Amino acid sequence: DTGVSQNPRHKITKRGQNVTFRCDPISEHNRLYWYRQTLGQGPEFLTYFQNEAQLEKSRLLSDRFSAERPKGSFSTLEIQRTEQGDSAMYLCASRGTGEKLFFGSGTQLSVL
Amino acid sequence: GESVGLHLPTLSVQEGDNSIINCAYSNSASDYFIWYKQESGKGPQFIIDIRSNMDKRQGQRVTVLLNKTVKHLSLQIAATQPGDSAVYFCAENMMNSGGGADGLTFGKGTHLIIQP
Repeated sequence: DTGVSQNPRHKITKRGQNVTFRCDPISEHNRLYWYRQTLGQGPEFLTYFQNEAQLEKSRLLSDRFSAERPKGSFSTLEIQRTEQGDSAMYLCASRGTGEKLFFGSGTQLSVL
Repeated sequence: GESVGLHLPTLSVQEGDNSIINCAYSNSASDYFIWYKQESGKGPQFIIDIRSNMDKRQGQRVTVLLNKTVKHLSLQIAATQPGDSAVYFCAENMMNSGGGADGLTFGKGTHLIIQP
């Protein structure tokens, strides 16, 4: 499978715990994006990387959210001290030199 | 802030009929528009895109129309099939100085239901 891969597919956690999601973009795609999607809504842009540089992070939802892409390949999104309102689908997308964004299947987070 | 929205949350059509999904956008500076299809439990799947210097673009069974005067975008699906059942999102962006599209803004989506 050469598409965008996200792990885990589902994550259930207790309020206050930290969670980390991983995204493996399409090989050689230098741009990587994180979105959040709640039920009935469209994806909401969070942040993006060009190679290892995080070029936009002002739309991360709070300082509990952080993302990394240390080697310009895979990326991780971490949420610290999770709250019930963090429950959502977290989507990753990547893009190469073209304009199309290719999305993964997402990680569904449930905070109890 | 400015955002993209859709007119109808749900659209039901008969199998074989044509369907039209509409989207209104408010950011006059947007110059790149995309339609995505999202099936249950999956990420959005690219369908078709259009730049603001065009008013129509055709793909396989799909056509996107852009009316910049009234800031309206539509997706036409010909001869709908059961596999077309999904939520459809329009998204917009401004092309950045590097010529790429970043930070897409999505609307709320239209759930297309295909009736047999």
